[in-house]
Amino acid sequence: AQSVTQPDIHITVSEGASLELRCNYSYGATPYLFWYVQSPGQGLQLLLKYFSGDTLVQGIKGFEAEFKRSQSSFNLRKPSVHWSDAAEYFCAVRSSNTGNQFYFGTGTSLTVIP
Amino acid sequence: DGGITQSPKYLFRKEGQNVTLSCEQNLNHDAMYWYRQDPGQGLRLIYYSQIVNDFQKGDIAEGYSVSREKKESFPLTVTSAQKNPTAFYLCASSTAGLPHFGDGTRLSIL
Repeated sequence: AQSVTQPDIHITVSEGASLELRCNYSYGATPYLFWYVQSPGQGLQLLLKYFSGDTLVQGIKGFEAEFKRSQSSFNLRKPSVHWSDAAEYFCAVRSSNTGNQFYFGTGTSLTVIP
Repeated sequence: DGGITQSPKYLFRKEGQNVTLSCEQNLNHDAMYWYRQDPGQGLRLIYYSQIVNDFQKGDIAEGYSVSREKKESFPLTVTSAQKNPTAFYLCASSTAGLPHFGDGTRLSIL
């Protein structure tokens, strides 16, 4: 069965520091991978996606993610975090062999210290 | 502007009542989804529909029902059989493998 693991439930970083949020997936074929951000009480906003091609993808708000097939990972990075980045982050994978369902990780909550 | 509209934003239910959450999209997407979000559990799939007049159960369909009579609409009914309905509910639609989300409905029990 497909699954997505975000091992870090909560991360705290100082403003201006670098950030890496981890995501591992379990999926047989080449997956479609996504990172979303959610502010409290809001829906999910797409940060970036990987379908194929260059394994380093750039997203909005200065975020990037790297697809590593050998490690089944799709970690999200940002070189310098801003206070406005504090939110919940979700990694997701799309399955093509179960009706194109999307599977989400349990999320990582990011706190930014001034 | 194109998008997904969920209404209402907040909904309260009395014990034993059914309630229906609305989801409308004007993106011309074929696929639509309902997710339930609880703290620390991420998003769990309730139902999804790939095309009009067809839908499939997700991982936690018990106590819920849906219909897909129109491409634009995918309402979710939370029935009295759902014993723990308090949660944040998110609707999504997708095309070309990219899901778009509404702003959610928060359901609470009185």
